[in-house]
Amino acid sequence: QVQLQQSGAELVKPGTSVKLSCKASGYTFTSNHMNWIKQTTGQGLEWIGIINPGSGGTSYNVKFKGKATLTVDKSSSTAFMQLSSLTPEDSAVYYCARSPDYFDYWGQGVMVTVSS
Amino acid sequence: EIVLTQSPTTMAASPGEKVTITCRASSSVSYMYWYQQKSGASPKPWIYETSKLASGVPDRFSGSGSGTSYSFTISSMETEDAATYYCHQWSSTPWTFGGGTKLELK
Repeated sequence: QVQLQQSGAELVKPGTSVKLSCKASGYTFTSNHMNWIKQTTGQGLEWIGIINPGSGGTSYNVKFKGKATLTVDKSSSTAFMQLSSLTPEDSAVYYCARSPDYFDYWGQGVMVTVSS
Repeated sequence: EIVLTQSPTTMAASPGEKVTITCRASSSVSYMYWYQQKSGASPKPWIYETSKLASGVPDRFSGSGSGTSYSFTISSMETEDAATYYCHQWSSTPWTFGGGTKLELK
């Protein structure tokens, strides 16, 4: 069965970066795009961007350009999202989600807390 | 960016009661998608392409609409349906979500 296993919770300091991972299993990793989605109490669900695991091609929500960088490692069927120059406003739960044409499978989410 | 406005933001329903949630888009979209999220869990696809039920979703759920106006209905509320429901548009990037409707059991 399809599974997206995300890395564990992160507590990071302002101004630093963090790299989140999402390991896919149960399907051909390169056959579906992978997305990252941010969830906060205040802003709800926000789509960050999408990556084609086969080509490495990406597209970002303009709001997150310069903040998020999406990559993949095909050899391990893992997608990554690096968040840079972290501020408290980046504190959120981040999900990876597969998309054929909508988000059909989601990771369990990872909580990122930005605090000094 | 297409803004999705859900209403109501919160509501409570008794077992057996009919529930309707609406989602209005700031521009026309081809389809609407709905997700269910329970506390501490990831969102789950619930309805796709406006009216198609995702795998395992009971047939007391339904969706309808077109253009800028969509709705999500539970014909008869059950205990397990208490959750937050989000609408989502896939027509135009950035893909966006509604603010959510928290449905509680009365």
